Amino acid sequence: QSALTQEASVSGTVGQKVTLSCTGNSNNIGSYAVGWYQQISHGAPKTVMFGNSLPSGIPDRFSGSKSGTTASLTISGLQPEDEADYYCSTWDHSLSARVFGGGTRLTVL
Amino acid sequence: EVQLVESGGGLVQPGGSLRLSCAASGFSFNTYSMNWARQAPGKGLEWVSSISASGSYMYYGDSVKGRFTISRDNAQNSLYLQMNSLRVEDTAVYYCAREGDGGSPLDYWGQGTLVTVSS
Repeated sequence: QSALTQEASVSGTVGQKVTLSCTGNSNNIGSYAVGWYQQISHGAPKTVMFGNSLPSGIPDRFSGSKSGTTASLTISGLQPEDEADYYCSTWDHSLSARVFGGGTRLTVL
Repeated sequence: EVQLVESGGGLVQPGGSLRLSCAASGFSFNTYSMNWARQAPGKGLEWVSSISASGSYMYYGDSVKGRFTISRDNAQNSLYLQMNSLRVEDTAVYYCAREGDGGSPLDYWGQGTLVTVSS
């Protein structure tokens, strides 16, 4: 199993606000910034959140936050093109390894 | 514009070797740590390895430790992954990715190159 825990699936309707979570521990999320990656139809991952920063070109309906050992990605005003798999990732200093969550399949109804 | 272009993927038999390359452009390659990650068919993303900006420090995932070697050539703006003793379970799309400043998350990704290990 993955070092970071994500919901297997989340769904929402167009215009709705959805939040994806990523839970780790003090060795990873508790100590380092978290990246969020969008992957559509198993294409190349695209970074949609980098710590608390929105990469250039990513719509501002995407936002990120972290509280203790849990990181969250919120999409406000869900759009059909947001349907994708989302992965979280960060560094883990006890493992000396970068870790990924298992991914969340976001479905836009 | 940051660009990462992987190459070197292909079909290889179990026990064989393959060397992947990643050509970087659009940024000061020698100031960033670089990573390889992979995705097996129908599976999630898995981190494979990382190398510091100078090439002095390398880290590996447990599943590839002792079989894969990451390296870089800062003069050529290139990242490499030498894969030996390949197994069927190494079949995946391999991605090159840049790491943000100071151990920050991965920020830019390449398009990936497919490695298939099969007899």
